[in-house]
Amino acid sequence: AQTVTQSQPEMSVQEAETVTLSCTYDTSENNYYLFWYKQPPSRQMILVIRQEAYKQQNATENRFSVNFQKAAKSFSLKISDSQLGDTAMYFCAFMKPRNAGNMLTFGGGTRLMVKP
Amino acid sequence: DGGITQSPKYLFRKEGQNVTLSCEQNLNHDAMYWYRQDPGQGLRLIYYSQIVNDFQKGDIAEGYSVSREKKESFPLTVTSAQKNPTAFYLCASSISWGAGTEAFFGQGTRLTVV
Repeated sequence: AQTVTQSQPEMSVQEAETVTLSCTYDTSENNYYLFWYKQPPSRQMILVIRQEAYKQQNATENRFSVNFQKAAKSFSLKISDSQLGDTAMYFCAFMKPRNAGNMLTFGGGTRLMVKP
Repeated sequence: DGGITQSPKYLFRKEGQNVTLSCEQNLNHDAMYWYRQDPGQGLRLIYYSQIVNDFQKGDIAEGYSVSREKKESFPLTVTSAQKNPTAFYLCASSISWGAGTEAFFGQGTRLTVV
């Protein structure tokens, strides 16, 4: 079974600064997908970024980027130029390969507070 | 607008009662999922369905039941057998067999046992 670990329960960052959220996972699969989801106070889960394990290039989406280290089974999220609207819970998630369906295994989450 | 609708937003249940949480999607997705979220924890999979009239247990299915009679609907029943039902419940959907496709989530139902 896959496990996902987020070792930072809470973090804070000043507005406009950069912050990195950590995620490690354990799997015996070689092909899989990793995600970062954001859950703001409204509790709506929003996809932030996605990474395919077979791609060596790190995914980026505007101010959000990842550092994917497959051998180390590490998948950190970097938020640049932090904004107040980035305040939320962030969840790292692992997805099994396609033949097993698209179920997600989530980490415990990191609560990020962006301070003005 | 396309999306996933969960109702009600808040639900209160007495001990020993069954309650049903509604989840409807108009995204034409084949796959639907139910997750449970407890304070300070990530989401855990309760049940999932890849096609109509078929569903599978997830990691914490005990005390829950589902049905999938229509593509658009995937209701979750929390039975009296669920010993600790107070939690936040999230429904999601995705394209079924596409590799690594995004899951879209509803806004959740907060269930409290009183």
